[in-house]
Amino acid sequence: AQSVTQLDSQVPVFEEAPVELRCNYSSSVSVYLFWYVQYPNQGLQLLLKYLSGSTLVKGINGFEAEFNKSQTSFHLRKPSVHISDTAEYFCAVIRNAGNNRKLIWGLGTSLAVNP
Amino acid sequence: ETGVTQTPRHLVMGMTNKKSLKCEQHLGHNAMYWYKQSAKKPLELMFVYNFKEQTENNSVPSRFSPECPNSSHLFLHLHTLQPEDSALYLCASSPASGSPYEQYFGPGTRLTVT
Repeated sequence: AQSVTQLDSQVPVFEEAPVELRCNYSSSVSVYLFWYVQYPNQGLQLLLKYLSGSTLVKGINGFEAEFNKSQTSFHLRKPSVHISDTAEYFCAVIRNAGNNRKLIWGLGTSLAVNP
Repeated sequence: ETGVTQTPRHLVMGMTNKKSLKCEQHLGHNAMYWYKQSAKKPLELMFVYNFKEQTENNSVPSRFSPECPNSSHLFLHLHTLQPEDSALYLCASSPASGSPYEQYFGPGTRLTVT
């Protein structure tokens, strides 16, 4: 069965520092990968997605993620965070072959950016 | 209005009440979803509709009853809920389900069952 593991439930970081939010997945078939962000009292918004092609994907708000097939990872990075990046971040995968193509979600990582 | 809207944003109801959550998408999408978001749990997919037809029900208790009158509107009818049903209920839409299309989310309805 597919699963998504976000290795850190909480990540505190100082403003302007770099950050990496980790995501690993398990799947017997190839997948599409997504990162969503949820700001306080809001719904989820897509940050970026990997479908095919270059393994380095750039998203909104200066975020990027790298797909590593051998390590089944899709870690999210930002070189310099702002206070406004404080939010919950969710990694999700969907199979791109066979049946049962539903989004599988991680538990989320709470990013707290401190001044 | 743009994107996906949900009303009400907050709802407090007793266990014997009947209420409905409403979702509307202005994106021309064909698939709509209800999710339940509880603290410390992954997002739980509840229902999926494709072209107004329900294509997925993830073993959701019958006290939750969805309705999709057209591709733009989705309702979740609630009756005799339990305190453990308190959560954020999110509606989403996408061009179609089971595809790499991203899902667009509404802001959610914060439900408290007393």
